[in-house]
Amino acid sequence: GAGVSQSPRYKVAKRGQDVALRCDPISGHVSLFWYQQALGQGPEFLTYFQNEAQLDKSGLPSDRFFAERPEGSVSTLKIQRTQQEDSAVYLCASSLARVSSYEQYFGPGTRLTVT
Amino acid sequence: DAKTTQPNSMESNEEEPVHLPCNHSTISGTDYIHWYRQLPSQGPEYVIHGLTSNVNNRMASLAIAEDRKSSTLILHRATLRDAAVYYCILKRTGSARQLTFGSGTQLTVLP
Repeated sequence: GAGVSQSPRYKVAKRGQDVALRCDPISGHVSLFWYQQALGQGPEFLTYFQNEAQLDKSGLPSDRFFAERPEGSVSTLKIQRTQQEDSAVYLCASSLARVSSYEQYFGPGTRLTVT
Repeated sequence: DAKTTQPNSMESNEEEPVHLPCNHSTISGTDYIHWYRQLPSQGPEYVIHGLTSNVNNRMASLAIAEDRKSSTLILHRATLRDAAVYYCILKRTGSARQLTFGSGTQLTVLP
């Protein structure tokens, strides 16, 4: 079946612009995660949804970052007034169940470049 | 979640076994050991996980020390497609929460 898809794959934004990044998780996956990956680093957690409920947003770096998952499937990560330090790959992952051992399935990421 | 320590990089020859080590001396009894890998320009992908016993799947084997303070991911015959960053991650039982990635081990496979 289809995996996690993300769009766009690449985004160039001028400093100060708003961007919206989309994630389509695997159908039926309850949990959805957003991660940010800077060049040469491991992914870092941003936020977590269980169905439509955002249960953890402790990793969002500032109030310019906002995520939603209104119907418990597709999710959007929005970054307002982008800054150069927001340049990174943004990864989305989904997971089937609430049990700790279940693996997360990652999308290919959206590479955001802020100029 | 407890911290893991991995070498920054390792090299292997094609078609030879690779042993990727991970230290996790502060692991708790409820922590699972997960391995993910990230191929160039892709998102991470799940490789294997275990709690106490050694585990095998089609991708790899996971050997867990008796005291659980270390583990080793074993690729039985490395191929060029196995060149990736390998992450060893601890994840607590009963938590469906996020993965905490370190910097991982960059595996280079030489032809």
